[in-house]
Parts: sequence; C-alpha cells; structure tokens
Amino acid sequence: EAQVTQNPRYLITVTGKKLTVTCSQNMNHEYMSWYRQDPGLGLRQIYYSMNVEVTDKGDVPEGYKVSRKEKRNFPLILESPSPNQTSLYFCASSSPGGNSPLHFGNGTRLTVT
Amino acid sequence: DQQVKQNSPSLSVQEGRISILNCDYTNSMFDYFLWYKKYPAEGPTFLISISSIKDKNEDGRFTVFLNKSAKHLSLHIVPSQPGDSAVYFCAASLGGTSYGKLTFGQGTILTVHP
Repeated sequence: EAQVTQNPRYLITVTGKKLTVTCSQNMNHEYMSWYRQDPGLGLRQIYYSMNVEVTDKGDVPEGYKVSRKEKRNFPLILESPSPNQTSLYFCASSSPGGNSPLHFGNGTRLTVT
Repeated sequence: DQQVKQNSPSLSVQEGRISILNCDYTNSMFDYFLWYKKYPAEGPTFLISISSIKDKNEDGRFTVFLNKSAKHLSLHIVPSQPGDSAVYFCAASLGGTSYGKLTFGQGTILTVHP
C-alpha cells in the first residue's frame, strides 16, 4: 500500500530535550516536506526536500532541522524544543513535474511542556 | 500575512443538500489550486484540483469553481453525505505543485447531518 509513515503518532516532551520525528514514504517520491498545523493558521510548511541531500527552508523553519540522506526518509529534528513548537506535524511527499498532489502521513501530535 | 483564507470556520448542512465551501486568496501569481479533506487522526487527503487556466473542474459529487478576477474559489458538494463531514482545506501553489510547496487556508469544518 502506498503510504507516508510518521512516527511517533503522539509525543510529550520537555523544553530543551532533543527529539526526532521520523518520516518514510514507499512511493519513490523525489519531493518530501514537513508541515505544522495550528488552530486558525491551517498548515504551514517547515522544510522541504527536492531530492537526496537537497533541502530548503519553508515558511516557518526556525527551531527545526531536517536531513535527506535516503530518498525514502525525511526526519524532522527539534534540537531544543520549546512550548511554541507544540503542534500537529505532517510529513508529505509527491512526485516531481506536473501537478502531482501531496500525499500526507497521519500526523504527529507533539506537546512540549 | 495569510495569503489563502477560508473565512468560514464551520458549515452545517443537511444530508442531500448542497455544501459550498469558500476560499479567497491574495497572491495573483498562484496558478494551481487544490482542496484537501481531513478526518480526525488522519492526514489530509487530496480531493480535487483546478488549474488557473480553467474556471471549473468536476469529479463526481465534487466541483471546484475558480473566479480569478475575484481571487476566489469554491468547492461544491452535491449531494452532501454524512461521510463528507470533515475539515476541508483549500491550498494554492505557484508553478504547479513544485517541491510540494502549498499555501493552505485555515480550514472549514463541514458537518453533514442525517
């Protein structure tokens, strides 16, 4: 089954404790990206990657890091999480060219206390 | 600055009637528009899209209308079904969906009553 898999689904952590949210897709998509969803703001892009070793900032990159060492994986790293990063996070992937829609994972609910 | 806006946080409709969800955008350079549907505890799923060279696109019960002069698009669902109850996001992009870069609206919660 074609899918984008995120882990964990739920995560509660404390301020400053480094964490990683993993994302993997099995559709051989070149493009991957991370979004966060907040009430009243919709989904906002954090980072995106056009291919292996090629990443760039989205609209709200502060406080986040990403890496793309393999085509299928695109982890999101919070080196020193803060309470304002409490949010619902989505990983997405798509194939290049034309207007291929984004395929989203099921989300990671992060709470930083 | 919210470039894509969905001004109705929620919409309630009776089963069998039409649901109309609205979306406004400010960036005239957007050339591709999409609607996504989201159920609780799931990621958004693609519903329907429209290129800026068209003013209407239809897929079964779902029709998207684009009015470029008004910078407005709408999603019509006819007839509405209880299973359509979800959050609907409109999204816009520049140059197709290059790099997976979409600008989303805030979302509208649709409730279809039996």
